[in-house]
Amino acid sequence: ELKVEQNPLFLSMQEGKNYTIYCNYSTTSDRLYWYRQDPGKSLESLFVLLSNGAVKQEGRLMASLDTKARLSTLHITAAVHDLSATYFCAVDKITIIVWSGTTGANSKLTFGKGITLSVRP
Amino acid sequence: KAGVTQTPRYLIKTRGQQVTLSCSPISGHRSVSWYQQTPGQGLQFLFEYFSETQRNKGNFPGRFSGRQFSNSRSEMNVSTLELGDSALYLCASSPDILIAEAFFGQGTRLTVV
Repeated sequence: ELKVEQNPLFLSMQEGKNYTIYCNYSTTSDRLYWYRQDPGKSLESLFVLLSNGAVKQEGRLMASLDTKARLSTLHITAAVHDLSATYFCAVDKITIIVWSGTTGANSKLTFGKGITLSVRP
Repeated sequence: KAGVTQTPRYLIKTRGQQVTLSCSPISGHRSVSWYQQTPGQGLQFLFEYFSETQRNKGNFPGRFSGRQFSNSRSEMNVSTLELGDSALYLCASSPDILIAEAFFGQGTRLTVV
């Protein structure tokens, strides 16, 4: 069974400093996602990482993927208050299925518990 | 382009009742997935539909069911509601299972009293 672990679960960050949060998963997966969730809101897609060594950056956030270590990191540069939110990573495993003579695929996202980031002045 | 639309946004139901939640995916998206989010269990996969077929199902009791219509809109139903079913139910759509990136709706907040 695919399991996703995120740590730490809560991180208090000081404005202007750099931080890294981690996401480990237990078995090989096809895709890794990072989502952001503000209180009471839905999930906002941040990054999709598809292959080993993939690195993506958006503003102060940079995500990377090491499929051999089954590890993704989310690096935060010069934290600002607007980054306060809960960050989820999720992994996706695509399964090829055959039914009624037709070949298709199914997938599901397995999420970590999320890391709540709080940026203080 | 309109996003994923879930209705209603909020619901209060009594134990033992049943409830139906609706999800309209982004136009052109054929894959719809449902997730339950609770403080204790986090985000858990319920089911996934593609072209009106349930392709995958999570570990939830049979009280949880769903369907997808020919226009890709999806509904999920929970019968005989229990207090523990109180959660945020999120729907996600993507163009195709094999295309990365799922877009989530705003969710339906279900409270069972």
